[in-house]
Amino acid sequence: GAGVSQSPSNKVTEKGKDVELRCDPISGHTALYWYRQSLGQGLEFLIYFQGNSAPDKSGLPSDRFSAERTGGSVSTLTIQRTQQEDSAVYLCASSLDRNQETQYFGPGTRLLVL
Amino acid sequence: KQEVTQIPAALSVPEGENLVLNCSFTDSAIYNLQWFRQDPGKGLTSLLLIQSSQREQTSGRLNASLDKSSGRSTLYIAASQPGDSATYLCAVRPNNAGNMLTFGGGTRLMVKP
Repeated sequence: GAGVSQSPSNKVTEKGKDVELRCDPISGHTALYWYRQSLGQGLEFLIYFQGNSAPDKSGLPSDRFSAERTGGSVSTLTIQRTQQEDSAVYLCASSLDRNQETQYFGPGTRLLVL
Repeated sequence: KQEVTQIPAALSVPEGENLVLNCSFTDSAIYNLQWFRQDPGKGLTSLLLIQSSQREQTSGRLNASLDKSSGRSTLYIAASQPGDSATYLCAVRPNNAGNMLTFGGGTRLMVKP
C-alpha cells in the first residue's frame, strides 16, 4: 500500500510569506506526527495528532507555527511570516495508533526561506 | 529534558568490516528505543525497535543492544556493504510522552567498495 506522502517536496519562499505543508498519512493510521530536521538542531518533534485533536503541541517553536488535521487523515502545517531560521526539512510520520510504536515517515518537505 | 547523543558523527569504513554505532541518552526512563536509517533526500526507515524490557534485537546483519540503566544502545552492522551507506539515527520514546520521539544527531556512515 501507499506510504506517507508529503507535498510539496521542495518549497522556496521569501522571508515574511506564509507557507503550507501537507501530509497524507497511511490510510487507517490515527496518529500523525510532525518533525523538523535542520542542520543545527537535528531532528525535533513539533506536534502530534491523535485523530483530529492535538494532545501534544509542545514542540511548536513559536506562535507562527500551527497545524490542523481534518477527517482524521490529511494534516497541514502552516508557518506564518516565515523567517530564515525556519529553513529545514519538515518530516511527517504516522502510526496505527498512539500505542503502536512503529512510526512510518514520509520523504519530507525541504523548505528554504530566502 | 531527555538528550540523545550519537558517536561518532561520521564514519568511513572499507566494505566487509564489522562496525558499531553508539547512542547514549540521559534519562533512563524510556519506553523503547528505535534505530532508523535515512538516505539522502529521503525519509526515515525504521530498522530495529527495542522495548525497555529487552536487551537486544536482531534483523539480518543488524543487531541492536540496549542497556537502559546506563543509558546506552549500540547498533552493530556485520559485514558492511556499500548499500549500507546512509545516516543512522537512534530515537527514544519517553515513558510519559504521547509517543513523541527524541532523536540523536545521527551517524553518517560511508562504506567504501
